[in-house]
Amino acid sequence: GDSVTQMEGPVTLSEEAFLTINCTYTATGYPSLFWYVQYPGEGLQLLLKATKADDKGSNKGFEATYRKETTSFHLEKGSVQVSDSAVYFCALSPQTQGGSEKLVFGKGTKLTVNP
Amino acid sequence: NAGVTQTPKFQVLKTGQSMTLQCAQDMNHEYMSWYRQDPGMGLRLIHYSVGAGITDQGEVPNGYNVSRSTTEDFPLRLLSAAPSQTSVYFCASSYQGYNSPLHFGNGTRLTVT
Repeated sequence: GDSVTQMEGPVTLSEEAFLTINCTYTATGYPSLFWYVQYPGEGLQLLLKATKADDKGSNKGFEATYRKETTSFHLEKGSVQVSDSAVYFCALSPQTQGGSEKLVFGKGTKLTVNP
Repeated sequence: NAGVTQTPKFQVLKTGQSMTLQCAQDMNHEYMSWYRQDPGMGLRLIHYSVGAGITDQGEVPNGYNVSRSTTEDFPLRLLSAAPSQTSVYFCASSYQGYNSPLHFGNGTRLTVT
């Protein structure tokens, strides 16, 4: 079945460091790919998405490129801030009949950024 | 701009008690769902609904009931609480379609003793 694997955390960085959180997926066809972020005490919110191969999603300085050849959607940010401390979830939505009920989440990666 | 509203934020139950977690959205989304979040397990889908009067089971439905009498509301009922149901519960909604992102509430932290 469809699945998402993301790097295990926790990840601890200093402010202004470069961030990469790896995400790979298994799915047939061309799923849509998402990164969600969960700040402490809150629900998940969409950070960025890409719906076809080679698309780049970006938001708040974060970027991720949909790589069909490597089945990956790695999250990157050039210079992290303390306010980026959160849990990050990679997710895919299969290109099958149906909608959000088919969404598959990774287990999440906790990021802590120290000043 | 309320989005998805969940109540209560925190709840403590004794084993065997029942309760209802409330969820309401004001975005006219067709799709609504309940997830539970447990350490190391990620998010697991409990129940979902694609419209008023239509509900279906997700990955972990046992011990939970849902109903969808209106587009806006999607309550989750715990029939007889068990310690294994200690978790953080999230309600989420979206438009139908596989490109539509989910909008989440802020969660209900439930402890069953």
